[in-house]
Amino acid sequence: DSGVTQTPKHLITATGQRVTLRCSPRSGDLSVYWYQQSLDQGLQFLIQYYNGEERAKGNILERFSAQQFPDLHSELNLSSLELGDSALYFCASSVELGTGSPLHFGNGTRLTVT
Amino acid sequence: LAKTTQPISMDSYEGQEVNITCSHNNIATNDYITWYQQFPSQGPRFIIQGYKTKVTNEVASLFIPADRKSSTLSLPRVSLSDTAVYYCLVGDVYNFNKFYFGSGTKLNVKP
Repeated sequence: DSGVTQTPKHLITATGQRVTLRCSPRSGDLSVYWYQQSLDQGLQFLIQYYNGEERAKGNILERFSAQQFPDLHSELNLSSLELGDSALYFCASSVELGTGSPLHFGNGTRLTVT
Repeated sequence: LAKTTQPISMDSYEGQEVNITCSHNNIATNDYITWYQQFPSQGPRFIIQGYKTKVTNEVASLFIPADRKSSTLSLPRVSLSDTAVYYCLVGDVYNFNKFYFGSGTKLNVKP
């Protein structure tokens, strides 16, 4: 158990809809990362937050947004959903930003857009 | 950016030692080398991390030559449960490489 909790585990929704994915980092971790993994694809980095502030942005679509709250949990919002957004969405956390801080991943939210 | 290159796939048999090499010719002075393991439909799991020479923990060893342009993850006596994708990441927060996973190496352990 990595200590990172993601909810829900599964989500089925229709095209055009909006969903929110939630992540609780490990106790003590200040940094949260979001990744997308489509079927048989690699992990695509979306965005990173550190102690409530956005620190790095990757291949995140404009339809997607995220935030990290004062209690350090994070939410990823996906709107105007398309079939191609169907994927596993992983959240990871790390202790700090500094060199050598490994990532600890949750078990993901599987999003199916129909 | 320090790009990493790994074999796409490897086959092995139970009980054998497996060595997966990652090339990172453009590694920077501040970069660490980190390996993750991922099973289907699960999040990646941190295996081992190193900066130079050799690092060993309870599950693997990481060999890093003096020039640091490559690294080798060594899994001793693999079992069927070691069948997974293994990712090598190089970098730190200042150049964001640590956030980007390559295609990884799909290890298939046979009985």
